[in-house]
Amino acid sequence: SQQGEEDPQALSIQEGENATMNCSYKTSINNLQWYRQNSGRGLVHLILIRSNEREKHSGRLRVTLDTSKKSSSLLITASRAADTASYFCATEVFGNEKLTFGTGTRLTIIP
Amino acid sequence: GAVVSQHPSWVICKSGTSVKIECRSLDFQATTMFWYRQFPKQSLMLMATSNEGSKATYEQGVEKDKFLINHASLTLSTLTVTSAHPEDSSFYICSARDFRVITAENYTDTQYFGPGTRLTVL
Repeated sequence: SQQGEEDPQALSIQEGENATMNCSYKTSINNLQWYRQNSGRGLVHLILIRSNEREKHSGRLRVTLDTSKKSSSLLITASRAADTASYFCATEVFGNEKLTFGTGTRLTIIP
Repeated sequence: GAVVSQHPSWVICKSGTSVKIECRSLDFQATTMFWYRQFPKQSLMLMATSNEGSKATYEQGVEKDKFLINHASLTLSTLTVTSAHPEDSSFYICSARDFRVITAENYTDTQYFGPGTRLTVL
């Protein structure tokens, strides 16, 4: 299965600290995307990084991609209570529009 | 960003009944929509890919006669859970693919997700 593994499974940090989540996958990809899901809600697209990109920024988010290691990381800087959610990586392979989701990281920001 | 809606947001039904869930792209046309299933505290698992005007493509292990998918227009896909049983209780999420060519070398290709439908089968 292509399903990615994310670690940690759960992460609790103090508000204001940085949060880092990692995602590993198994096969070559076209792009990798990160999503946020608040409890019982739909997914919100955060950022997409293509296979020929190594780093991407969006506001307080920084995503890196290492295709040689088949891994990606999501860094949220200066965390806020509103960042509390589950975060999923999802990969798309060439020639296939399907997304395969990782196992997710549950992030809790402690005020 | 683009908006995708789902209806209903939650439904409770008796075992043996059928339930239809709608997924709509509100401000863009989606030739492709996807249906996912999510159990509590787990990841999303793709059930099927819905293409407008053609039959859906189901993932391995998903019963096509159990989960009927119709994508009759570029803005609407429906998932019908037939003869629902308690084990079908889950959170069902759809997504719609928004693919746009910007230039010859640049494009955007994003899936926008609906808010989900919680199905509880008694």
